[in-house]
Amino acid sequence: KQEVTQIPAALSVPEGENLVLNCSFTDSAIYNLQWFRQDPGKGLTSLLLIQSSQREQTSGRLNASLDKSSGRSTLYIAASQPGDSATYLCAVSGSGNTPLVFGKGTRLSVIA
Amino acid sequence: ETGVTQTPRHLVMGMTNKKSLKCEQHLGHNAMYWYKQSAKKPLELMFVYNFKEQTENNSVPSRFSPECPNSSHLFLHLHTLQPEDSALYLCASSRTGTGAYNEQFFGPGTRLTVL
Repeated sequence: KQEVTQIPAALSVPEGENLVLNCSFTDSAIYNLQWFRQDPGKGLTSLLLIQSSQREQTSGRLNASLDKSSGRSTLYIAASQPGDSATYLCAVSGSGNTPLVFGKGTRLSVIA
Repeated sequence: ETGVTQTPRHLVMGMTNKKSLKCEQHLGHNAMYWYKQSAKKPLELMFVYNFKEQTENNSVPSRFSPECPNSSHLFLHLHTLQPEDSALYLCASSRTGTGAYNEQFFGPGTRLTVL
């Protein structure tokens, strides 16, 4: 059974700092990996999707990498801003009909 | 409206009430999902519908009853719920439920409180 772990559970950084969020998964036979952002009490916003054949994806200040063989992904946020404060969720999808399996998320606070 | 919408956004109900949650997607997708998000737990998949057919029921109690009349609409009918069912219920959709097209897009959620 696929399990997804995100470390750290919570992170507080000063504005302007570059930071890395980690995600690991137990079964490397994934089809893709998706990073989401969730603001308190709200739904999820898709940030980046990495297909299993890809090693990274970039969107603005965000860069996500994928090392499928070691079961790891990182989300790099450059020049963090207070508006980046949210919970970041990692989810992986297996082949066929396997639905997304989510981690518990990393709660990020960027202090002005 | 665009994307995935959910109504109501907030719902308070007693244990004997019957209510329904509604989800609508405007993305032309064919797969829709219900998730439950409780405090300090990962998102839990409840149901998956792919081309209006239920393809996943993740051992959800029968007091939750899904309905998918077409690819754009998904309902979650609730009856005789328990206080521990209080949570944020999220709906999502994707182009299909499998393979490369299962990037999921989420609605804003319904915050449910069971008294």
